[in-house]
Amino acid sequence: DAGVIQSPRHEVTEMGQEVTLRCKPISGHDYLFWYRQTMMRGLELLIYFNNNVPIDDSGMPEDRFSAKMPNASFSTLKIQPSEPRDSAVYFCASSFASTGETQYFGPGTRLLVL
Amino acid sequence: DAKTTQPNSMESNEEEPVHLPCNHSTISGTDYIHWYRQLPSQGPEYVIHGLTSNVNNRMASLAIAEDRKSSTLILHRATLRDAAVYYCILDNYGQNFVFGPGTRLSVLP
Repeated sequence: DAGVIQSPRHEVTEMGQEVTLRCKPISGHDYLFWYRQTMMRGLELLIYFNNNVPIDDSGMPEDRFSAKMPNASFSTLKIQPSEPRDSAVYFCASSFASTGETQYFGPGTRLLVL
Repeated sequence: DAKTTQPNSMESNEEEPVHLPCNHSTISGTDYIHWYRQLPSQGPEYVIHGLTSNVNNRMASLAIAEDRKSSTLILHRATLRDAAVYYCILDNYGQNFVFGPGTRLSVLP
């Protein structure tokens, strides 16, 4: 398996633009997670899905952020409109559905909003 | 969420063992103890996890205190590639990982 795949790896955009981050989880995994990492706040869980259904989105910072998982092999995290404070590295991770299971992280998308 | 406490940073010499401590005094009976590490410019990667008994794998060993209020990640022979931030995480009911600031490990040649 290729592992968790994220695209793009780097994104530079201007304030106010829409940004879409993409993730392909490991085949067969039931859980998918979106994290954000900044120097100030560290690694934060934004939202996670179980069997394509959002379970906990309490970490989503505000209404400008939305996430979808239309099928078991694809998820998007959208920011509209983007702001400079959204600049961060966004990680996607996936795992099997069980307590104690390992989360496998993708390489991340480094977002810079000017 | 149950919390963990780790030292901000540690140093080790290459080829020597490293013991990375983690305190989790509010751990519940069903919390797994996970360790992840993050190398520079990469996503976190799994290191090891356990519930009650000590655990060994090819990367490291995990020693869990009898009362489960603390644990120690042991790297038996540190290499330069082990320089990373190490996170100790409690897994409460499956999937809601809370990453703290972790311990930044420096390995000196």
